[in-house]
Amino acid sequence: GDSVTQMEGPVTLSEEACLTINCTYTATGYPSLFWYVQYPGEGLQLLLKATKADDKGSNKGFEATYRKETTSFHLEKGSVQVSDSAVYFCALSDGAQGGSEKLVFGKGTKLTVNP
Amino acid sequence: NAGVTQTPKFQVLKTGQSMTLQCAQDMNHEYMSWYRQDPGMGLRLIHYSVGAGITDQGEVPNGYNVSRSTTEDFPLRLLSAAPSQTSVYFCASSYSQETTDTQYFGPGTRLTVL
Repeated sequence: GDSVTQMEGPVTLSEEACLTINCTYTATGYPSLFWYVQYPGEGLQLLLKATKADDKGSNKGFEATYRKETTSFHLEKGSVQVSDSAVYFCALSDGAQGGSEKLVFGKGTKLTVNP
Repeated sequence: NAGVTQTPKFQVLKTGQSMTLQCAQDMNHEYMSWYRQDPGMGLRLIHYSVGAGITDQGEVPNGYNVSRSTTEDFPLRLLSAAPSQTSVYFCASSYSQETTDTQYFGPGTRLTVL
């Protein structure tokens, strides 16, 4: 079945450092790819998404590019802030396995940014 | 719009007790899902629904029942709680089944089974 593998944390950075969280996937069909963020004590919210190869999703200074050739969707930010401290989840939605109602998630990466 | 709401926020049960986790959305979304979140496991799909009256099993359905009598509500029932069901439960909804569509998540219910 489909799966998502993401870099396991925890990751601890200083403010203004560069961030990369790796994410790779396997899918039967041609999936859409998502990054969700979970701030402490809250539910998940969409950070960004990409729906076809070479698409770049971006939001709040975060970026990720859909790389079909390497089946990857790495999350990057050039300068992190304390407010970025959260758990980040990579996920996919595969039409061959259902649709938007059946997201497949990675295990999550906890990011802590120190002042 | 309130979005996706879940009640209760916290719950403690004893082994063998039953309870219902409530989920409601006011966005007129057809597609709704329940996930559980466990440390180091990410989120795993329990049950999902593609419309009123239609439900199906996800990856980890054992010990849970669902029903969808209205578009707005999608309750999750624990029939006989077990310590292995200690988890954080998230309800989510989306407008269409298109893979490009976004799922919107509720704030979660933290359940402890003693």
